[in-house]
Amino acid sequence: DAGITQSPRHKVTETGTPVTLRCHQTENHRYMYWYRQDPGHGLRLIHYSYGVKDTDKGEVSDGYSVSRSKTEDFLLTLESATSSQTSVYFCAISTSGGAADTQYFGPGTRLTVL
Amino acid sequence: DQQVKQNSPSLSVQEGRISILNCDYTNSMFDYFLWYKKYPAEGPTFLISISSIKDKNEDGRFTVFLNKSAKHLSLHIVPSQPGDSAVYFCAAASGTYKYIFGTGTRLKVLA
Repeated sequence: DAGITQSPRHKVTETGTPVTLRCHQTENHRYMYWYRQDPGHGLRLIHYSYGVKDTDKGEVSDGYSVSRSKTEDFLLTLESATSSQTSVYFCAISTSGGAADTQYFGPGTRLTVL
Repeated sequence: DQQVKQNSPSLSVQEGRISILNCDYTNSMFDYFLWYKKYPAEGPTFLISISSIKDKNEDGRFTVFLNKSAKHLSLHIVPSQPGDSAVYFCAAASGTYKYIFGTGTRLKVLA
């Protein structure tokens, strides 16, 4: 198993509060990704990183920001959580950005925004 | 606009029989396709992939078929085992990390 951990694994918060999810890898992979999984939508890319301090937006980035100050850590922040951000969030890693470079996923964080 | 579609939300198969999971796509620029398996409360795990230059790829009990003219791929699991019960996602990409996932098919293998 790829060495990917996510914290917290579960979180319940209230609308309007800030939330930060953490992804930590021990594989020294260059690329890291944040996805959300919702019924009827599969997994959708929120943001990705192609190196320390190098990040860019994905398909559903509105309301989210990310930071990567170390190779091993990729943080996802919801500045002011909304109920539409209730979801399961997955972090993934890959060695490069090519399609054939398989992405390996973490165990996920279930976030509920009341 | 769903570029990758899995039209069967669920599928039940008897143990030992073949499971066939289907996936359709609309973007002809996709050149790499993957299948992931997901158990409850876990992250997706990579299962098998195929490049658009091939029409078949096998790995043990798992075979992926690609029909580019029909923009269709399928995953065959033979023989199906109870441990194969999971949600299966297909994904497609065009040269880069930008995977587009389908909505998933829940497979239940009956003992």
